[in-house]
Amino acid sequence: KAGVTQTPRYLIKTRGQQVTLSCSPISGHRSVSWYQQTPGQGLQFLFEYFSETQRNKGNFPGRFSGRQFSNSRSEMNVSTLELGDSALYLCASRVTGGSETQYFGPGTRLLVL
Amino acid sequence: EDQVTQSPEALRLQEGESSSLNCSYTVSGLRGLFWYRQDPGKGPEFLFTLYSAGEEKEKERLKATLTKKESFLHITAPKPEDSATYLCAVQADHQAGTALIFGKGTTLSVSS
Repeated sequence: KAGVTQTPRYLIKTRGQQVTLSCSPISGHRSVSWYQQTPGQGLQFLFEYFSETQRNKGNFPGRFSGRQFSNSRSEMNVSTLELGDSALYLCASRVTGGSETQYFGPGTRLLVL
Repeated sequence: EDQVTQSPEALRLQEGESSSLNCSYTVSGLRGLFWYRQDPGKGPEFLFTLYSAGEEKEKERLKATLTKKESFLHITAPKPEDSATYLCAVQADHQAGTALIFGKGTTLSVSS
């Protein structure tokens, strides 16, 4: 089975711009979660989607948003980028109704200049 | 407040020198505890899920154990390829959905 895929793998943006990141979960996985990883804060939960609905949201400003499509693929968007948004953005998928284990993708490295 | 603390932050071992990594957690109602391995520039790779105190799981040179307040990742006779950052995360009963709360990780370096 193919793992979680994320595109693009690397991005460079400037302050004030917006960015959209994409995540394709493992086949059959319907839950998708997003995390931000920085050297200072470590891995922090952004939000989770299941059946195209947001189930839970972490403590991030409204500039961070996401959505899920009917095929379980997910996108996250960050508007009005700030320097502090530079991070590795990780997507994780989980099969629902069974194990709680989440499987992570390789991440998208975002650099904001 | 739910919290996960990992120690030590960094650990250097010689090949074959066994040791343990610690993950202490404070959570109101543990739904699950997870161990991941992360190599530089890559996403976390799943290792183990533990659900209840007393549970143990093994995979090659790694063994994870769980008590009511902490988990240990025991590494037996490590090899250089075991060098990585090991992350511990918990999932709380009171959380809607499946949000994971991560520790900052332990960076393990194994030299030959």
